[in-house]
Amino acid sequence: DAGVIQSPRHEVTEMGQEVTLRCKPISGHNSLFWYRQTMMRGLELLIYFNNNVPIDDSGMPEDRFSAKMPNASFSTLKIQPSEPRDSAVYFCASRPGGASYEQYFGPGTRLTVT
Amino acid sequence: GENVEQHPSTLSVQEGDSAVIKCTYSDSASNYFPWYKQELGKGPQLIIDIRSNVGEKKDQRIAVTLNKTAKHFSLHITETQPEDSAVYFCAASRAGGSYIPTFGRGTSLIVHP
Repeated sequence: DAGVIQSPRHEVTEMGQEVTLRCKPISGHNSLFWYRQTMMRGLELLIYFNNNVPIDDSGMPEDRFSAKMPNASFSTLKIQPSEPRDSAVYFCASRPGGASYEQYFGPGTRLTVT
Repeated sequence: GENVEQHPSTLSVQEGDSAVIKCTYSDSASNYFPWYKQELGKGPQLIIDIRSNVGEKKDQRIAVTLNKTAKHFSLHITETQPEDSAVYFCAASRAGGSYIPTFGRGTSLIVHP
């Protein structure tokens, strides 16, 4: 299996621009998670989906952030408009469900907002 | 909510030495404790986990211990090698929280050849 796939790997954009991060989870996994990693705050859970349905979005920092999962093989995290404080590494992870609690992380997208 | 504290934030050892990373948690209902290793430029990867019905688990050079009474758990790496250099995260989770992990802040382990 190719593992969790994220694109782009790096994104540099100017403040005010829209940014869309993409994730393809591992086939057969029924949960998907979006995390943000910064030196200041560590790994923060932004939102997670179960069977394509958003379950908990309490970690989404503000209305500028939105996430969708239109089907079992694709999810997006959108920031509009972007701000310099959004600069971070964003990870997508998936989990198979059942008795397995292990999360499988993608390689991350490093976002820089200037 | 759950709070996980992890220490130390940085750990430097010589190749062949042992390394110990310690974590405490606040929610007594937590019953699943995974450890993730994050190499530079990559996402975290599970290396070992422990459930609250056991006190210790080993996998080759790594071991985890859990003290439910004191609400702390530790990662032990023996005979460290340069390829063990990475950031290690502990986490705690529970059934009522859908086993969504609360992560510690991470420990940067540096193994000097």
